[in-house]
Amino acid sequence: GNSVTQMEGPVTLSEEAFLTINCTYTATGYPSLFWYVQYPGEGLQLLLKATKADDKGSNKGFEATYRKETTSFHLEKGSVQVSDSAVYFCALRSKNQGGKLIFGQGTELSVKP
Amino acid sequence: GAGVSQSPRYKVAKRGQDVALRCDPISGHVSLFWYQQALGQGPEFLTYFQNEAQLDKSGLPSDRFFAERPEGSVSTLKIQRTQQEDSAVYLCASSLGDGQSPLHFGNGTRLTVT
Repeated sequence: GNSVTQMEGPVTLSEEAFLTINCTYTATGYPSLFWYVQYPGEGLQLLLKATKADDKGSNKGFEATYRKETTSFHLEKGSVQVSDSAVYFCALRSKNQGGKLIFGQGTELSVKP
Repeated sequence: GAGVSQSPRYKVAKRGQDVALRCDPISGHVSLFWYQQALGQGPEFLTYFQNEAQLDKSGLPSDRFFAERPEGSVSTLKIQRTQQEDSAVYLCASSLGDGQSPLHFGNGTRLTVT
């Protein structure tokens, strides 16, 4: 079945450091890929998405590129801020599954000043 | 409000009690999803509605879990005879239902079974 695997956390970085959170997926067909973020005490929010191979999603300085050849969708940011501290979830959605999302286990990011 | 609303925010139940969790989706959203999120884990799919029709309930962990959406808007997730392993955050999400629109999540209901 379809699945998503993320790098384990927690990830601790200093402010202005470069961030990479790895995400790989297993799916039949051509799923859409997403990154969601969950700030402390808040609900899941869509951060960015990509719907086909080689698409790049971007938002708030974060980027991820849909790589079909490596079945990956790694999240990157060039310079993190303390306010980026949150849990990040990679997810996929297959067209033939009614639009439901399948999530990875989440990666907690902590940014220190 | 403009977002997905869930109630109660917190629920404590004694083992064996029944609970009902409510979700108010964004107005006009056709699709509604329920997820279960255990501590430190990603959300796990439970069930999905398109309007009032429950199209996928493959993620419901046992027959103690039941969901309904009788008028195609508000949904209720019911758990009968709660067990400790049911302790989790239950998330509701809604979307326009075209298979491409993003899912909008509520803040969840944290259920603790003692």
